[in-house]
Amino acid sequence: AAGVIQSPRHLIKEKRETATLKCYPIPRHDTVYWYQQGPGQDPQFLISFYEKMQSDKGSIPDRFSAQQFSDYHSELNMSSLELGDSALYFCASAQRWRKNTGELFFGEGSRLTVL
Amino acid sequence: AQTVTQSQPEMSVQEAETVTLSCTYDTSESDYYLFWYKQPPSRQMILVIRQEAYKQQNATENRFSVNFQKAAKSFSLKISDSQLGDAAMYFCAYNSGGGADGLTFGKGTHLIIQP
Repeated sequence: AAGVIQSPRHLIKEKRETATLKCYPIPRHDTVYWYQQGPGQDPQFLISFYEKMQSDKGSIPDRFSAQQFSDYHSELNMSSLELGDSALYFCASAQRWRKNTGELFFGEGSRLTVL
Repeated sequence: AQTVTQSQPEMSVQEAETVTLSCTYDTSESDYYLFWYKQPPSRQMILVIRQEAYKQQNATENRFSVNFQKAAKSFSLKISDSQLGDAAMYFCAYNSGGGADGLTFGKGTHLIIQP
């Protein structure tokens, strides 16, 4: 079965640079979520999209932006990178109104290292 | 806001024995979902088991079962016949069911399996 695809898997950037992460949800999933997981931390919700519209916003810095495109893939853009942005970034997808599961399906994550 | 608490940062169990991971949560909603996700060193979040709040029967998936106490807002995970492959971080997670907010995670429990 198709899973959530994230790219790149690893990314190394310098401080003040820009990075873009991509997420391709499971086909027919209409909702995408972005999470940030620092070393030894639990995942923190950043932002979500439903049917290409921003649905909810969590602890996403103003330096970050995201969008969902017509093909439902999503991109997380991070600018003016700081050392503290080094983390594992997860994308997850779901069918929002499938109330019989409530489950989110996660990608393998993109590990960002800021030097 | 919902909160999820895992009070055991680390647990250790002998192979083939049984271990229980604790989770409590706080919510004012009556309809919601609870999950246990496993994150092995390979890092992808994998669903272990889910529980719908409206169901009184505790969910079971092979060696994994939960003890869901709605009134006490408790959701513990029991792993029977522990195997080396069970070693991972285990996150308890809450979903309000509407889908917009995604999952709220606990801090995680690091499960060590002693051979």
